[in-house]
Amino acid sequence: DIQLTQSPSFLSASVGDRVTITCRASQGISSYLAWYQKKPGKAPNLLIYAASTLQSGVPSRFSGSGSGTEFTLTIGSLQPEDFAAYYCQVLNLYPYTFGQGTKLEIK
Amino acid sequence: QVQLVQSGSELKKPGASVKVSCKASGYTFTSYAINWVRQAPGQGLEWMGGINTNSGNPTYAQGLTGRFVFSLDTSVSTAYLQISSLKAEDTAVYYCARVRGAFDIWGQGTMVTVSP
Repeated sequence: DIQLTQSPSFLSASVGDRVTITCRASQGISSYLAWYQKKPGKAPNLLIYAASTLQSGVPSRFSGSGSGTEFTLTIGSLQPEDFAAYYCQVLNLYPYTFGQGTKLEIK
Repeated sequence: QVQLVQSGSELKKPGASVKVSCKASGYTFTSYAINWVRQAPGQGLEWMGGINTNSGNPTYAQGLTGRFVFSLDTSVSTAYLQISSLKAEDTAVYYCARVRGAFDIWGQGTMVTVSP
């Protein structure tokens, strides 16, 4: 099974900052990676699929890149509503494992 | 609009069973798989498995015991998650999600609490 390792696990930043979260796969997964935002009490929200395709309705300050084993999620200019947890997920074959998550907090 | 609506919160005693429903609307139910994800208190997202809505064939995450069963009723566009012999560690929010390249549509979540 493919394992996903996100870094960092916790990130403290300010409104207006540019932040990057990394997701590393234990073996190559081409571009079969998605990113989700998770807020307390809400269902996860798909941000990026196929590593770099922005889901409809998601603000353009979110972007994804990478292929193979290393992927990044970048938030161009943090807004107050962006403080949440973020998860990557592999989607080439079952199991569709999630990374352990990155909690983005206000500095 | 396209949505998945789940059944309400459940409070169960250890050893009991629970069945969570996930009703789809706004699209052809059999066109996309449904997967299940859970989040225990203070923990991350855990993929549990999924079900092919055409064939009804389920796939379970390794380590998910036989206590968990995915099923369908395509006549009402609904997927189900049944958990038997509930344990305290099953306490979590359970989500269903449509798989269209990624998990693009999610149910609102069902809180299952297992407590004496």
